[in-house]
Amino acid sequence: DGGITQSPKYLFRKEGQNVTLSCEQNLNHDAMYWYRQDPGQGLRLIYYSQIVNDFQKGDIAEGYSVSREKKESFPLTVTSAQKNPTAFYLCASTTPGTGGRDYGYTFGSGTRLTVV
Amino acid sequence: DAKTTQPNSMESNEEEPVHLPCNHSTISGTDYIHWYRQLPSQGPEYVIHGLTSNVNNRMASLAIAEDRKSSTLILHRATLRDAAVYYCILDLSGNTPLVFGKGTRLSVIA
Repeated sequence: DGGITQSPKYLFRKEGQNVTLSCEQNLNHDAMYWYRQDPGQGLRLIYYSQIVNDFQKGDIAEGYSVSREKKESFPLTVTSAQKNPTAFYLCASTTPGTGGRDYGYTFGSGTRLTVV
Repeated sequence: DAKTTQPNSMESNEEEPVHLPCNHSTISGTDYIHWYRQLPSQGPEYVIHGLTSNVNNRMASLAIAEDRKSSTLILHRATLRDAAVYYCILDLSGNTPLVFGKGTRLSVIA
């Protein structure tokens, strides 16, 4: 079955450490997105990529970095510069140009990051 | 940002229809209306989308007002598994990332 896999599901990090969250999709989607969700809040856009080797900052990119070396993969690194990294992180993908108008965004099941 | 307004929460009895409202008075002619839902501790799930005409699929129906300034997501028969946060979102263009607000938290009572 096609879909998006995020790993790990739960992640604990010590303050001052960088950590990388994995996002892999086998849907042949060109566009991929990272969102952050805090308790009781909506989703906020961190970074997105419309095509391999290209990505754009979202609304809250500070303290995060991404790469897009392969179509299937869009890892997110939470750096020590991110002041409040504890949150639920969601990865999504879709077909670009349609903006998800044909099939919508497909989301992964998320990674819950806790800084200890 | 194109803005949508939804009630913070709603309640429904099991096996009854649910009408979830959304106002989007600043919508422009090419903006699509999307609905997603998010179950607890999961990623959002696409529900339905439309432009001008009402839409039906296996999950729900979308009723769009004639002036397009509001829409309603209709769950024909709520089940306990429909308890979730429902997001109404305007899709501004084919390449602009979707903006998720706080949505409506739907509780379903057995």
